[in-house]
Amino acid sequence: ILNVEQSPQSLHVQEGDSTNFTCSFPSSNFYALHWYRWETAKSPEALFVMTLNGDEKKKGRISATLNTKEGYSYLYIKGSQPEDSATYLCAPALSNFGNEKLTFGTGTRLTIIP
Amino acid sequence: DVKVTQSSRYLVKRTGEKVFLECVQDMDHENMFWYRQDPGLGLRLIYFSYDVKMKEKGDIPEGYSVSREKKERFSLILESASTNQTSMYLCASSTGGVWQYFGPGTRLTVT
Repeated sequence: ILNVEQSPQSLHVQEGDSTNFTCSFPSSNFYALHWYRWETAKSPEALFVMTLNGDEKKKGRISATLNTKEGYSYLYIKGSQPEDSATYLCAPALSNFGNEKLTFGTGTRLTIIP
Repeated sequence: DVKVTQSSRYLVKRTGEKVFLECVQDMDHENMFWYRQDPGLGLRLIYFSYDVKMKEKGDIPEGYSVSREKKERFSLILESASTNQTSMYLCASSTGGVWQYFGPGTRLTVT
């Protein structure tokens, strides 16, 4: 089983502060890197899919970067809001099945303190 | 909007029973997936299917089988349920290497 690590495991952030967390993965056989947000009692929802080294994606206050050569991605949240509280999962596609088969990290659980 | 539905939100079964978990998607996606989620372990892939009647083992297929007779439906089968299969099961679908769409999950308890 491929090793995908996310850090930190959990994080408490004051409302209004910015934060970031990391996903590291094996850099060989890389096809794509997915980020998902999973709120309690809901289904995981996609945030970004990135494929190219140096890729940066942005969605509102959330952005992500990708370094495929060294095998890591950062997720940034600017000006955290209570609705950002969720578990953030990264999942690289690292197999002969190309973009389809994902290996999920254990996630970073983010709690925003009002 | 893509919709992925799962047959039950909560299920309680006895050890040794045969259990069927059903997943249906309405967007004509060719790929479908079954995961289980356990505390501290994240989402782990059990099986996936990239076409009707095609299946591939994921990372933890032992004790499970799958069936995909129609494009929109992907079933996970626990041939003889055991207590270590108590978990949250999530189904997902995708097409063309874009992100996966997840169902609401089925929380299965095996007693």
